[in-house]
Amino acid sequence: EPEVTQTPSHQVTQMGQEVILRCVPISNHLYFYWYRQILGQKVEFLVSFYNNEISEKSEIFDDQFSVERPDGSNFTLKIRSTKLEDSAMYFCASSVQGANYGYTFGSGTRLTVV
Amino acid sequence: GIQVEQSPPDLILQEGANSTLRCNFSDSVNNLQWFHQNPWGQLINLFYIPSGTKQNGRLSATTVATERYSLLYISSSQTTDSGVYFCAHNFGNEKLTFGTGTRLTIIP
Repeated sequence: EPEVTQTPSHQVTQMGQEVILRCVPISNHLYFYWYRQILGQKVEFLVSFYNNEISEKSEIFDDQFSVERPDGSNFTLKIRSTKLEDSAMYFCASSVQGANYGYTFGSGTRLTVV
Repeated sequence: GIQVEQSPPDLILQEGANSTLRCNFSDSVNNLQWFHQNPWGQLINLFYIPSGTKQNGRLSATTVATERYSLLYISSSQTTDSGVYFCAHNFGNEKLTFGTGTRLTIIP
């Protein structure tokens, strides 16, 4: 069964450093998403991406965050200057034609900011 | 926005038992998914079930959208079923809203 692949599985970074989280969505999917889950809390929507642009973003997704699809297969989330409160599990997801067709989530990247 | 409440918040069962997890919505929803988050934090898709009933092995799910609830059934529980179960929906946009989760612990 096709999978959404995320790398790395765990990343530790110092406060103030830039991090890039990487995702390879399912190849025929057109919609891409990032979610995050702070330890012990709900999974929260960050951003959706379609046709090479952001289609929707939450209030969490401020100027410190950016997304990019640099080539035909990768989808990245960049955090410019990490803060302690950015420590969380970050999930990438993709969908073949958007919300009405369900989402497939990756295994997540656990980001620890020290 | 639409509220998503799950019950019970915690459930501890002996291996082999059956369980029913519930997801209630404050308004009608278009789409509904169930996920299992395992003890390693991985989020695993279980069902995309906007309406009706689906079965996959020991798991099945039913959504009654007009009555604003969905149920996840787990039969003959195994220790590997432990983790947190989330329902999630979207309504008219691309944003998936997750419920508060049910933490299931299966004791050998």
